[in-house]
Amino acid sequence: KQEVTQIPAALSVPEGENLVLNCSFTDSAIYNLQWFRQDPGKGLTSLLLIQSSQREQTSGRLNASLDKSSGRSTLYIAASQPGDSATYLCAVYNQAGTALIFGKGTTLSVSS
Amino acid sequence: GAVVSQHPSRVICKSGTSVKIECRSLDFQATTMFWYRQFPKKSLMLMATSNEGSKATYEQGVEKDKFLINHASLTLSTLTVTSAHPEDSSFYICSARPLEVNTEAFFGQGTRLTVV
Repeated sequence: KQEVTQIPAALSVPEGENLVLNCSFTDSAIYNLQWFRQDPGKGLTSLLLIQSSQREQTSGRLNASLDKSSGRSTLYIAASQPGDSATYLCAVYNQAGTALIFGKGTTLSVSS
Repeated sequence: GAVVSQHPSRVICKSGTSVKIECRSLDFQATTMFWYRQFPKKSLMLMATSNEGSKATYEQGVEKDKFLINHASLTLSTLTVTSAHPEDSSFYICSARPLEVNTEAFFGQGTRLTVV
């Protein structure tokens, strides 16, 4: 059974710092991996989707990498801002068309 | 990106009543939609997979008679919480994937259900 783990569970950094969020999954035979952002009491905002054949995706200050063989993904946030404060969720698709399996998330707090 | 609309965003109901939550894909068609539940400070747990025109597939431990799912069209799925109890209070989120392969899933805004 696929399990997704995110470390750390919580992270506090000062504004301007670069940071890395980690995600690991137990079954490396994934289809896609997706990173989301969730603000308190809100739904999910998709940040980046990495297909299994890709190694990374970039969007603005965000860069996500995928290493299927080791079962890991990282989300790199450059020059963090207070507006980046949220919970970041990593999720994987085991097969095409199936549901996402989520990690518990990393709650990020960026202080000004 | 594609839009998934979930309604209502918040609902308070009395114990024993039923509540219906709607999930609509506004600008794409989805043969499959997913319903998740999120407990405070916990991850999203898949409840069921909703298939257009057929019965939903429920995850282990989810009561199908309590959480009724209907996927009547390619753009609408509904989740009805029947005979609600306080322990059903939670955040429910739906997701839909466009028909095309290799596309990402899009999520509704979520519904905060409080049963009193």
